[in-house]
Amino acid sequence: QSALTQPPSASGSPGQSVTISCTGTSSDVGYYNYVSWYQQHPGKAPKLMIYEVSKRPSGVPDRFSGSKSGNTASLTVSGLQAEDEAEYYCSSYAGSNNYVFGTGTKVTVL
Amino acid sequence: EVQLVESGGGLVQPGRSLRLSCVASGFTFDDYAMHWVRQAPGKGLEWVSGISWNSESIAYADSVKGRFTISRDNAKNSLYVQMNSLRAEDMALYYCAKGGDTSGFFLPDHGFDVWGQGTTVTVSS
Repeated sequence: QSALTQPPSASGSPGQSVTISCTGTSSDVGYYNYVSWYQQHPGKAPKLMIYEVSKRPSGVPDRFSGSKSGNTASLTVSGLQAEDEAEYYCSSYAGSNNYVFGTGTKVTVL
Repeated sequence: EVQLVESGGGLVQPGRSLRLSCVASGFTFDDYAMHWVRQAPGKGLEWVSGISWNSESIAYADSVKGRFTISRDNAKNSLYVQMNSLRAEDMALYYCAKGGDTSGFFLPDHGFDVWGQGTTVTVSS
C-alpha cells in the first residue's frame, strides 16, 4: 500500500487560510469516505482533527475543515494562528481493514 | 482522563524479538478497536496493525505481516504487539491508538482519536 501524497510544505500569514491536499487512488481516498487528518507538533503524539472527510471531533476549532473530490482530499485551516504550525498527516481506510497515511505536510505560520 | 501508556520498547539486535504493551484507562476498552502506528526517526506515520474489540478482526500492514502479532486482553485493558524477526527498518517510535467508533470494529472509521506518547524501538547490532 503506497502512502498518500501530500505536499511537503505549506505556509500562510496569521489570519490567512492554507489548504493541504492529500492524493490517493480509487482504492482508498476515492472509494471510501473515511479520510482523517492529524496534527502533530514536534515531539508530540498526533491529534485527530478531522474524520470521515469533514467531521470535527469535539474540541477541534471550526477553523479546521475537510473536503474530498475524487481521489484527492483536502484540509483547510482558516484564520491561521501561531499554534497551527505543525506537521499534518492525512489517512484513509484502504479496504480489508487496512489504513494508509499520507506523506505529511509541514505548515508554517509566517 | 482518557489515556494510553505504551511500554516495552528498547534496543534489540536484528532478527530478535520484542513485545510492546499498551495499557488503557479512562474509557471502556472493549468498546473499541485498537491500533499500532509507528513513526521512524524524522519520517511520517505508518499504520502497523489493528484489532477489533473481540479480537475476531485483525489486520497488518504488508511490511510486518508474518512477523508481527497483535493481541489484546480486555480484562487487563491492554493491547500488545509481538514483534519477531526485527529489521533495521522496524526501528521507530511505536504508538498505540484508539479507534474512534464504539462499534468496536474497523468500520465505520472515525479516525484514531486517542494516542499514547509512544515507545521507542531501536534495532541495531
